[in-house]
Parts: sequence; structure tokens; C-alpha cells
Amino acid sequence: TQLLEQSPQFLSIQEGENLTVYCNSSSVFSSLQWYRQEPGEGPVLLVTVVTGGEVKKLKRLTFQFGDARKDSSLHITAAQPGDTGLYLCAANTNAGKSTFGDGTTLTVKP
Amino acid sequence: DVKVTQSSRYLVKRTGEKVFLECVQDMDHENMFWYRQDPGLGLRLIYFSYDVKMKEKGDIPEGYSVSREKKERFSLILESASTNQTSMYLCASSPPGVRYGYTFGSGTRLTVV
Repeated sequence: TQLLEQSPQFLSIQEGENLTVYCNSSSVFSSLQWYRQEPGEGPVLLVTVVTGGEVKKLKRLTFQFGDARKDSSLHITAAQPGDTGLYLCAANTNAGKSTFGDGTTLTVKP
Repeated sequence: DVKVTQSSRYLVKRTGEKVFLECVQDMDHENMFWYRQDPGLGLRLIYFSYDVKMKEKGDIPEGYSVSREKKERFSLILESASTNQTSMYLCASSPPGVRYGYTFGSGTRLTVV
């Protein structure tokens, strides 16, 4: 089972600040997803990245897949309290299974 | 709105009981998965299925079984519930392959006393 490390584990910031969270592995992946999970709910898919070096934007969220397809980052600009939640990355192998990271718990204070 | 529906949000069961967790999806997805989520341990795959009547063990299948008699329904069975099976259980579905990501249900918070 490939290890997927997310950092930081916890992040607490003020509304309006920018932040970046990371997802790293020593393995190469065919694709990678980012999810957000709110307390008491299931994870919700935000984005899938497939190509090394790919950058995708979703409003104030920017996702990047590393050139070597071993790592990814999520950058949030001008964070809002509604961004609060657990951010999970999931990396996929050609065998058709996903490995989840342990997540970054983000708290955005008003 | 596409959905994965888990039959219960909260369950409390006694040690030794047989427990059924039901999951239904309306997206005609081939793949379905059961995960448990625990603080500090992340999401761990219990069982998955790529087709009707097909099942494969995930990373932590001990103490669990599954049933997939219809494409839209994937059931997780705890044969004899134990306190260490207290957890958040998440069902997910996806089209063939993993590049499209999963659609998760809202989860079932199971407490075994």
C-alpha cells in the first residue's frame, strides 16, 4: 500500500488569508483527487488531476499535480469560513484502487 | 442530483449483534466501496465490488462481509459486532476506473456497546 502524506495536519487561519496544503508520496500515480469533508458528512469530490504539471482552478482553489505525478498541492486564496473542513487527497494506481491521505483539517476564523 | 444513500446516519448496536449497513446509488455506477474512517487512521478500505455478485477484500476485511445482489445496492455486514468496530462507515461509488473519483454517501456513525 502506497503511503500518502498530507501536510500540515492542522491549519487554523483568519478569514482572508491564503494557504497551501500538500500531498506527497514516493510513488507515481496515474491520477489524484482532492476532496473536502465537513463534520458528520461524507467527502465531496473537488477535482481530479491526471497529467503531470497540470493546474486546475475552482473559484478560489488552485490544484496542482507535480511534474513527476508523485505530489500535489491545493492553494486557497482569501480563505472564508465556509472553506472550513477536512481536505483529503486520494491517489490512484493503474490497478484501479485509491489510497487516501490522512487529511488536513482547516479552520478559517471569521 | 446524483446520490449515494446510506440507510442510517447513526446506529447503536450491542456487542455480538449482526449488523447490516445498506448503501444505494442511483448513478448506475459499476464500482462500489466500503470504507471506515477513524481519527488518526484516515479512510481504510474494507471491501469493494466492481460488478454485481462480485466482491474483493480491501485492506481491513476481517470481521466484515459484503453483499452485492443488485448493481445499485452494496451491503456491509458485521457478522458479530465488537467494540473495536465503532467507527464512521462510508460507502462510495464510481464509474469504471478511478480517474473520475468517488461519490460518497453521508456516512453511518456506528457505536457498538
